[in-house]
Amino acid sequence: DTGVSQDPRHKITKRGQNVTFRCDPISEHNRLYWYRQTLGQGPEFLTYFQNEAQLEKSRLLSDRFSAERPKGSFSTLEIQRTEQGDSAMYLCASSQMGGASNTGELFFGEGSRLTVL
Amino acid sequence: KQEVTQIPAALSVPEGENLVLNCSFTDSAIYNLQWFRQDPGKGLTSLLLIQSSQREQTSGRLNASLDKSSGRSTLYIAASQPGDSATYLCAVAHMGNEKLTFGTGTRLTIIP
Repeated sequence: DTGVSQDPRHKITKRGQNVTFRCDPISEHNRLYWYRQTLGQGPEFLTYFQNEAQLEKSRLLSDRFSAERPKGSFSTLEIQRTEQGDSAMYLCASSQMGGASNTGELFFGEGSRLTVL
Repeated sequence: KQEVTQIPAALSVPEGENLVLNCSFTDSAIYNLQWFRQDPGKGLTSLLLIQSSQREQTSGRLNASLDKSSGRSTLYIAASQPGDSATYLCAVAHMGNEKLTFGTGTRLTIIP
């Protein structure tokens, strides 16, 4: 297993366009998280899934943001009508919850950097 | 609401020195605490995870401690090397959903 992978790594778009990011978690992991990180700040929680169910969404996730994990494997994060304030690094993480030996450790991907012009 | 603070925001030390990074959090009802390393423009690499019932974890030259009652954790790096230069992030996991709340990080520079 190669770990958590994210695509694309970089995206430059014009204000008002839609963008979609994809995350492939570690294969046996049942939880998947999306975070957003702006320059000089720590990552901020956006949403998370257990299998295909979206269990929590942050207030940071406006109506223009939607995330899916249709088969409990990969996930997509779509931003509609992008704004300059959406420029950030979007990080995906996965973990395996349940079972005595699981620690809840999160493993992060390399991130998708979005620049909105 | 959980808040995580990391001090100092930036630190420069000569190669070979031992150093300590600090992390504090406001709500002691945590599931675990993780320390991460982040290189510029890159994702996060997990360094150490301490369960809420544990006091410390060690990996190589790194040692992390947890004092849940006082809301503090430290990351100790022994015999620092230039390759240790990076931003170090502390994050606490919430009970119930295990989502992480991060500090703003300490930017570490090791001077050769």
